[in-house]
Amino acid sequence: ETGVTQTPRHLVMGMTNKKSLKCEQHLGHNAMYWYKQSAKKPLELMFVYNFKEQTENNSVPSRFSPECPNSSHLFLHLHTLQPEDSALYLCASSLAGTSGNQPQHFGDGTRLSIL
Amino acid sequence: GNSVTQMEGPVTLSEEAFLTINCTYTATGYPSLFWYVQYPGEGLQLLLKATKADDKGSNKGFEATYRKETTSFHLEKGSVQVSDSAVYFCALSGGQGAQKLVFGQGTRLTINP
Repeated sequence: ETGVTQTPRHLVMGMTNKKSLKCEQHLGHNAMYWYKQSAKKPLELMFVYNFKEQTENNSVPSRFSPECPNSSHLFLHLHTLQPEDSALYLCASSLAGTSGNQPQHFGDGTRLSIL
Repeated sequence: GNSVTQMEGPVTLSEEAFLTINCTYTATGYPSLFWYVQYPGEGLQLLLKATKADDKGSNKGFEATYRKETTSFHLEKGSVQVSDSAVYFCALSGGQGAQKLVFGQGTRLTINP
């Protein structure tokens, strides 16, 4: 039990489908993150939410749309994805510290495959 | 900008061997440094951290010392086990608010019995 739960664990979708990834944290954290992990590439930070406000969008294509309704839940809405979007999508949460020393806690990820 | 460089993998060792995974960083100011581990089919787990120069982080027999003079945070373990087989990530963060982590590319470690 990591304290950060992601659903679904696996998702296969066609390029014209619309789906959503869900992340929930039970750690009392106030910052949440989406990362993309592709084979043979470093972890890519996609979005950052700090107290429900989006504070970072790392030039992510608009076919990825995040939503953070409260500090415990984070969604990633997907539409019209491309084959290169197939990857492991990781959610993380942390306390928003003042000196960068708060570790992030990760979920087990959603393995996304685009047909 | 901030960056982290890890030694190229994969690394393959025999059980009970000594492990070193090198990590160097470039950063402005005084970042915090972390090692995360990812076991097959799972997300990343915090292994250890250090928040200021000369701090030593340790956990599960792993150690790393924050060396500001060499901008390094090398991961070491004296005697590895098969269960240590995983991908290891070095990372840094700094600044206020949400913690923006910068990761190295990861080093895959395989321990043979």
